[in-house]
Amino acid sequence: AQSVTQLGSHVSVSEGALVLLRCNYSSSVPPYLFWYVQYPNQGLQLLLKYTSAATLVKGINGFEAEFKKSETSFHLTKPSAHMSDAAEYFCAVTFSGGYQKVTFGTGTKLQVIP
Amino acid sequence: ETGVTQSPTHLIKTRGQQVTLRCSSQSGHNTVSWYQQALGQGPQFIFQYYREEENGRGNFPPRFSGLQFPNYSSELNVNALELDDSALYLCASSLASGTKDTQYFGPGTRLTVL
Repeated sequence: AQSVTQLGSHVSVSEGALVLLRCNYSSSVPPYLFWYVQYPNQGLQLLLKYTSAATLVKGINGFEAEFKKSETSFHLTKPSAHMSDAAEYFCAVTFSGGYQKVTFGTGTKLQVIP
Repeated sequence: ETGVTQSPTHLIKTRGQQVTLRCSSQSGHNTVSWYQQALGQGPQFIFQYYREEENGRGNFPPRFSGLQFPNYSSELNVNALELDDSALYLCASSLASGTKDTQYFGPGTRLTVL
């Protein structure tokens, strides 16, 4: 069985401040981990994914995430928040077998304060 | 723009009715997955089609069914609608069925069941 926990359903940061969105996973096999962003009334867009290569994964829009096996974490960070980063972010876990077993977290809404 | 389109954008149905949602995959993609996203939740995997065959199913009852056509467009059919079926339905296409291939999501269909 696998699961994902996103700590904090709402996170607020000031424009220019560090963004840190937390994701912890549980998986009985080596995981594939994803971060997606969803803007209002839109589908999900892939920010980045970890597929057992480098543990520090760089994504689009200046985001990155680090896979820490010892902490079972895959937190998403961005050094400096921009107003356009305001959206909902989802962490997801599956394994190499495919998307059929993907499990999404419940999401974190990021508010950026000017 | 991901190249994945869905129709209709919004739909209102009453309990007990049947509904068909449509998805047009990104060009060249032979795999499509469908997800249900209830309000305030992360997406839940419904099923996946690969080259017109069902290739995995989530924890959804048989009244959720699908089709994938030779041009790789697809449909999600839901019979005997229930109030809890109200959700955003997302489709996602990928070049192949494995996790190494990025999924591209459509904007979704918002279904309201009254």
